Amino acid sequence: KQEVTQIPAALSVPEGENLVLNCSFTDSAIYNLQWFRQDPGKGLTSLLLIQSSQREQTSGRLNASLDKSSGRSTLYIAASQPGDSATYLCAGGSQGNLIFGKGTKLSVKP
Amino acid sequence: DAGVIQSPRHEVTEMGQEVTLRCKPISGHNSLFWYRQTMMRGLELLIYFNNNVPIDDSGMPEDRFSAKMPNASFSTLKIQPSEPRDSAVYFCASSVWTGGHQETQYFGPGTRLLVL
Repeated sequence: KQEVTQIPAALSVPEGENLVLNCSFTDSAIYNLQWFRQDPGKGLTSLLLIQSSQREQTSGRLNASLDKSSGRSTLYIAASQPGDSATYLCAGGSQGNLIFGKGTKLSVKP
Repeated sequence: DAGVIQSPRHEVTEMGQEVTLRCKPISGHNSLFWYRQTMMRGLELLIYFNNNVPIDDSGMPEDRFSAKMPNASFSTLKIQPSEPRDSAVYFCASSVWTGGHQETQYFGPGTRLLVL
């Protein structure tokens, strides 16, 4: 059964810093890996989707990578801003559904 | 597009009462998912449908929970009878399923359920 782990659980950085969020999964036979953002009291917003045949995806200041052989994905945020403060969740897709990690709560201080 | 629509946004009920949560997926999406989120357990998949057919309901915690999707534009999640431990935020999500894999999932705003 797929298990998804995110480390660290919480992260606080000063504005402008580049940062990396980590995600690991146990079943390398994933169909895709998706990164979401969740603001307090809100639903999830999809950030990036990496299909199993891809190695990375980029959107603006965000870059996500996928290494199936090692069971790892990273989300790189460049030049962080206070508006990036949120909880970031990764989810591994297999057989049609998603298994979520518990998230990394990011706080970017002005 | 209005996105995924969920109702009600908040529900407070007493133990033993029936609770019905509703979801309207994005038009054109053929997969629908029900999730539950708590502080302790994080986000858990309860059940998902492809083309209105339940595919995996192994996440449904007990027989008190049931879900239906009578047509492509509507789904319900029912809890009967409700218990305090069912208190959580329930999310509905939809996506396009192409037969090989899921595309991006789009989440609704959630229903915050409190069972007293």
